[in-house]
Formats: sequence, C-alpha cells, structure tokens
Amino acid sequence: NAGVTQTPKFQVLKTGQSMTLQCAQDMNHEYMSWYRQDPGMGLRLIHYSVGAGITDQGEVPNGYNVSRSTTEDFPLRLLSAAPSQTSVYFCASSYSTLAAPYTGELFFGEGSRLTVL
Amino acid sequence: AQKVTQAQTEISVVEKEDVTLDCVYETRDTTYYLFWYKQPPSGELVFLIRRNSFDEQNEISGRYSWNFQKSTSSFNFTITASQVVDSAVYFCALSEVYSGGGADGLTFGKGTHLIIQP
Repeated sequence: NAGVTQTPKFQVLKTGQSMTLQCAQDMNHEYMSWYRQDPGMGLRLIHYSVGAGITDQGEVPNGYNVSRSTTEDFPLRLLSAAPSQTSVYFCASSYSTLAAPYTGELFFGEGSRLTVL
Repeated sequence: AQKVTQAQTEISVVEKEDVTLDCVYETRDTTYYLFWYKQPPSGELVFLIRRNSFDEQNEISGRYSWNFQKSTSSFNFTITASQVVDSAVYFCALSEVYSGGGADGLTFGKGTHLIIQP
C-alpha cells in the first residue's frame, strides 16, 4: 500500500550540481505530475505526464527536465541547480487517461525538501 | 487563464469556534473541478473534497461543509466547532477539463494557514 513514493526526502546541493528526484507510484495511474511549493506561493505545476512516453510543461518548467519511460516512474531532473530552486517538491498521480475525463483528484507523495546553496 | 484566490493568508480562532475559508476562482471553461486539500504541520497533502462545476449542491461531511456558488465563482469551506487538529494550511484548487477529455493539472491558491488555539 505504498501509493506515491518520493526519494530523497531531503537533499542539499551546491549551485551548479545536478540531481534527480525520484517518484514512483504503484496504483497504475496514467497521470503523474511534479509541483513545487514555496512559502506564500501555494503549489505550482512544473511538469506533467498523461502516460508513458508523453510529457508536457506546466507553469514553471524552466530548469527542470522529466521523462516517463514507464507508467510507474516519473523522475524530475535538475541539470544545474540554482538557489531559486530551493523548494519543497511534490510528486502526484491520478487515475486518468487521455480518453477518460480527468477528475483531478491527486494522490501526493510526502514531498522532497531541496536546498541549493 | 485560470486563477484561484485565497485572500485569507492566515486565520486564528479559538477552539470550538466556526471558521470559513474563502476561495474565489477564475476560469473560462464551463467544465471544471474544484478541490480543497489540507496540509497539516507534518507536510503531506490530504485530499478533502472534489466538486464538479455542474454540481452546485452544497456538501457536508461531519464538521466540514462546502458552499459552491457559480454565480460568485466561490467555493468556500467551513469548519464547525473547530478543533486543534484542524490546524493546517488549506489549499483550494481548480482543474479545467478539456473538451476532448484530459487536463494538465491543478491550479492552486496560495493557501490559508488556519490556527486553532486551545
């Protein structure tokens, strides 16, 4: 009964370093997404995927890359970390297909707190 | 573009008081979903409710109730007889549904920090 699993939960990076935030879900959800949460800003969509092999940009995609090679996994890559990427990152998934109406009830991971020095 | 406004940044009440969290949204679509999520101090996000734009019926779940009014583009959340455990950040969110099905994601408000004092 794992749901959405994010790793790592905490990470400190230096400016310019790269890293990947991992996200895995075991609910066979087609839809997966990444959000970042910053104080006073709510949650903002970074990237999302409606199925394996399909990804698209959200509201704040710059500085992040994603890929979706399997239904279960949706990693978020920071190629060259910047202090502005200090945030809490949430991965979320939902049962949705391109054909079935998207209801938006998201299942969230526990979050990954990233600090870029 | 869609937008969700939660004008109340922080609300503090004494336990057992009723409290209403306001949510106003903007969308050009006729089909959309509205949500409330709770984020307790532990940090996880907990789904509370989803409302379809075609269903304006108010909903009550225990001490929680939601008032959806399309005429004013509002989806307010009331906690009756508040308890300390209700202390959390509450987010209102909107999802637009494309005419062909599918959507990109949720647009969240900035959240209301609710503090229930004993």
